[in-house]
Amino acid sequence: DTAVSQTPKYLVTQMGNDKSIKCEQNLGHDTMYWYKQDSKKFLKIMFSYNNKELIINETVPNRFSPKSPDKAHLNLHINSLELGDSAVYFCASSLQGAREKLFFGSGTQLSVL
Amino acid sequence: QQQVKQSPQSLIVQKGGISIINCAYENTAFDYFPWYQQFPGKGPALLIAIRPDVSEKKEGRFTISFNKSAKQFSLHIMDSQPGDSATYFCAATAYSGAGSYQLTFGKGTKLSVIP
Repeated sequence: DTAVSQTPKYLVTQMGNDKSIKCEQNLGHDTMYWYKQDSKKFLKIMFSYNNKELIINETVPNRFSPKSPDKAHLNLHINSLELGDSAVYFCASSLQGAREKLFFGSGTQLSVL
Repeated sequence: QQQVKQSPQSLIVQKGGISIINCAYENTAFDYFPWYQQFPGKGPALLIAIRPDVSEKKEGRFTISFNKSAKQFSLHIMDSQPGDSATYFCAATAYSGAGSYQLTFGKGTKLSVIP
């Protein structure tokens, strides 16, 4: 059973399109995150949700909008995609207060052409 | 300053050798220091972590050394194996409110262990 699953694994799209990435965790965690990993492997947090409430919202263009329908799901919607959005996006989850232990999904490779 | 500086960017070690990766931080609000391991095509996975009131933690071949006064910590991989070839990230956590913690990553070290 996959603990944190993301779909799709690969996403190739044209500039200007709108796309979504879905994330689900079956670990019973109450905190979920979105991270962006650029071509140089740098991992940067984008958003954090705790019990469906937005906790962290780093400086991310408002074209990126997270949605958490319930504690087990955190989706990422991206409007008007740009070339610079090409990256690997990772969803992660943790228990509230488990400061060091995040469980990551296997990532979504987004390529904007 | 929410930054963790990691070096080297890449590291090549012979099988059986010791791999050493170093990290430094400025923010004294950081209160936990994990290391993550990432294989190609996979998400990062927690490898080992240390609290700032401990100077060393060992798990198998992996050891974290922590120097609180210097604000530095390092990962040592003893008897490095080809299967250890991966990207390693140091990280640090700080409280971000509402019972949650934010994890800040270093820029990663790509380790290659050659036979």
